[in-house]
Amino acid sequence: IVLTQSPGTLSLSPGERATLSCRAGERVSSSYLAWYQQKPGQAPRLLISATSTRATGIPDRFSGSGSGTDFTLTISRLEPDDFAVYYCQHYSSSPRWTFGQGTKVEVK
Amino acid sequence: QVQLHESGPGLVKPSETLSLTCTVSAYSISSGFYWGWIRQPPGKGLEWVASVHHSGSTYYSPSLTGRVTISVDTSNNQFSLNVSSVTAADTAVYYCARDTGYNFGNMDFWGQGTLVTVSS
Repeated sequence: IVLTQSPGTLSLSPGERATLSCRAGERVSSSYLAWYQQKPGQAPRLLISATSTRATGIPDRFSGSGSGTDFTLTISRLEPDDFAVYYCQHYSSSPRWTFGQGTKVEVK
Repeated sequence: QVQLHESGPGLVKPSETLSLTCTVSAYSISSGFYWGWIRQPPGKGLEWVASVHHSGSTYYSPSLTGRVTISVDTSNNQFSLNVSSVTAADTAVYYCARDTGYNFGNMDFWGQGTLVTVSS
């Protein structure tokens, strides 16, 4: 399964809305689609599991949606701490894990 | 809070074997879930490498099968990764993580990562 994220880079200002896309090469289970945030020099941090369930401590400005082959991570109002790279990930029986190539959210 | 910590040499020579260990604290590996390794070449994205269960069940990335071995040591609450015949393409930050697999479909706890450079 190939996960294609778009855009590669998103240039936005604090306070704006960010919409990140993750497209699967074939239909996947929404139960196994997750999103991660990674800042420079840090490990990835789990944001969302099962397409739309926020991980512990993740603010509600982060939301996930989608089904089938198209999934979206939305950040309703960007805060300075949200500028980072975001990855989608899928679990399946084989291969066990696939990551998208990432979307960088940068300050405009 | 589950904590993971990677350890191992930061420099490996080409054609040799890269060996890393992940020590888990505040959670017993024997309690369940899989435990995995993920790597990230400098400036690039994330690549899953392998995962192991305390029972010994393993999964490997198809792109690395044959060069990679993952194992678990429940007595020390650790799991390890070996990558043989390394080349410069294996240079990366290697992360270990708890792999919840079919239970929750995510990797919820990660180590801070360790940079491994392959160079003579």
